[in-house]
Amino acid sequence: AQKVTQAQTEISVVEKEDVTLDCVYETRDTTYYLFWYKQPPSGELVFLIRRNSFDEQNEISGRYSWNFQKSTSSFNFTITASQVVDSAVYFCALLNTGNQFYFGTGTSLTVIP
Amino acid sequence: GAGVSQSPRYKVTKRGQDVALRCDPISGHVSLYWYRQALGQGPEFLTYFNYEAQQDKSGLPNDRFSAERPEGSISTLTIQRTEQRDSAMYRCASSPTPLAGGYNEQFFGPGTRLTVL
Repeated sequence: AQKVTQAQTEISVVEKEDVTLDCVYETRDTTYYLFWYKQPPSGELVFLIRRNSFDEQNEISGRYSWNFQKSTSSFNFTITASQVVDSAVYFCALLNTGNQFYFGTGTSLTVIP
Repeated sequence: GAGVSQSPRYKVTKRGQDVALRCDPISGHVSLYWYRQALGQGPEFLTYFNYEAQQDKSGLPNDRFSAERPEGSISTLTIQRTEQRDSAMYRCASSPTPLAGGYNEQFFGPGTRLTVL
């Protein structure tokens, strides 16, 4: 079975605080891909990152960083020095070898000025 | 156009009517995906195509849902005898190659908001 769990439904932080969004996944595939997407209030889905199951290197892109740990089946996303423009719903997703995508239920982040 | 387009953007229909939702992917993109997103939920995979071939339709909820992509470009998702529970945002996405083949991302369209009264 494939499953993506985002336990945090809503998070509020004050601007400039750091915030981590959790993602835990389940899959029996040995090869799979993990993604994060941002959905701002306007509704579009914006790709942020993709990771394949063989690459556990953490990644940093500006204020964004991702921590992939296969041992705990987690792919967490941290925003450093949050800004109001970061307010959105963030989705974690799993792509399996059958090319099927599984999205989590999303975490709604509100950054308060 | 530069991105994935979908039409109509909003569709209101009465229960029992058929609807057809259109997706126009980025030109040249091989793969096309359909998703359904209920309010407060993540997108739910419905089906996908490589070129004109439907590769997987396991996500289609029941046989009232069907999709086609006859010429490997534009795709239509059809819902027959709509029910209120079909109300959702229907999203289409395309990618240059099959996702698991190594390309980074799929490009999402703006979605069609379907409301069944």
